[in-house]
Amino acid sequence: GEDVEQSLFLSVREGDSSVINCTYTDSSSTYLYWYKQEPGAGLQLLTYIFSNMDMKQDQRLTVLLNKKDKHLSLRIADTQTGDSAIYFCAESPLGGTSNTGKLIFGQGTTLQVKP
Amino acid sequence: DAGITQSPRHKVTETGTPVTLRCHQTENHRYMYWYRQDPGHGLRLIHYSYGVKDTDKGEVSDGYSVSRSKTEDFLLTLESATSSQTSVYFCAISESSDQPQHFGDGTRLSIL
Repeated sequence: GEDVEQSLFLSVREGDSSVINCTYTDSSSTYLYWYKQEPGAGLQLLTYIFSNMDMKQDQRLTVLLNKKDKHLSLRIADTQTGDSAIYFCAESPLGGTSNTGKLIFGQGTTLQVKP
Repeated sequence: DAGITQSPRHKVTETGTPVTLRCHQTENHRYMYWYRQDPGHGLRLIHYSYGVKDTDKGEVSDGYSVSRSKTEDFLLTLESATSSQTSVYFCAISESSDQPQHFGDGTRLSIL
């Protein structure tokens, strides 16, 4: 079946690195995504990784993918108070032999950044 | 930001009434999606569309119907609203099934 799990809460101090973890179950997933949601707003695409990659870096963000363990992580370097938000991991499983575009989301991790 | 407009942004209605939410896009993207967001569940897919008049069900489609008569508009209808459908509803769009989805700002729906 399809399921995505995330821890619910993470608290860090400003300037530290944050690591948000995610596990997924569908090994057919072609893409894995990270979205950010600020209070009262929609989801903002942060970054995504194709399933044949191990790592992707984009400025302060580093995504690591361990396909064997079906584990995805998002590292935010030099975390700022403006990074406080809910972070969602999502997988895009294949439907048969084609990608339907459906996303399966985790419950979201609330990141609290203390000054 | 992707050109996605959801309307209304907030709505309060009574059990048993019909409700229609609208998603309008200016990006000419082929795929459009409706999700609901509830505490403890993340976002769950209700219905999606892969072209004009082409729609399919998601994981929580019971009690909902959709229509897409033109590329830019995707409508979500609750034929007879129930309190369990109180939620925040998000529309998303993507160019293709292999491209990332971009989300609207959401509609907060309360059913009393």
